[in-house]
Amino acid sequence: SAVISQKPSRDICQRGTSLTIQCQVDSQVTMMFWYRQQPGQSLTLIATANQGSEATYESGFVIDKFPISRPNLTFSTLTVSNMSPEDSSIYLCSVGMEMNTEAFFGQGTRLTVV
Amino acid sequence: AQSVTQLDSQVPVFEEAPVELRCNYSSSVSVYLFWYVQYPNQGLQLLLKYLSGSTLVKGINGFEAEFNKSQTSFHLRKPSVHISDTAEYFCAVSDRITGGFKTIFGAGTRLFVKA
Repeated sequence: SAVISQKPSRDICQRGTSLTIQCQVDSQVTMMFWYRQQPGQSLTLIATANQGSEATYESGFVIDKFPISRPNLTFSTLTVSNMSPEDSSIYLCSVGMEMNTEAFFGQGTRLTVV
Repeated sequence: AQSVTQLDSQVPVFEEAPVELRCNYSSSVSVYLFWYVQYPNQGLQLLLKYLSGSTLVKGINGFEAEFNKSQTSFHLRKPSVHISDTAEYFCAVSDRITGGFKTIFGAGTRLFVKA
């Protein structure tokens, strides 16, 4: 298993600004993922972040809006850029081990854009 | 790409009654399926998973699920629910990608247990 820490746990931001969310894992992992959970909705995968390569974005998500960094095997950041109220969601970091198909999740970052 | 469909958005049930939350997956040669639970204002917790082997999978909190290949289903069941089982339940499937798997979630089913 893996223990995942996300910072901040919650934030209230002004529209037009950007917020960077950090995800720290207690062990080295190959794959890290970022999800969005809009109010009352399911989890939608934003992108897959692998160390040493550019993130792979899912349909409907672009790098200019959600830039991701993955500097090493235990850390990743997701930036939500030029925020609008529609970006108000919970953002979750997740990790997967190559030989274990189960995903592990952080507690999430609750973002409110006003 | 893999996908899952949760057939019920909400399931109200009385305490101590049995419950079944339905999930269908897209057909594939091999499939890895999961049920996660999200209690109000909390993170995701894995209830159970099917990777291979026995089609009846037992999880935490008295939940179990049955993998049915012919019906491409993975329904979650509990014989007697408690008030504390009130939560959002997500069926999920692993989709193979280079280097591992990504997890794709269904729309979720809100279980509401009434006294």
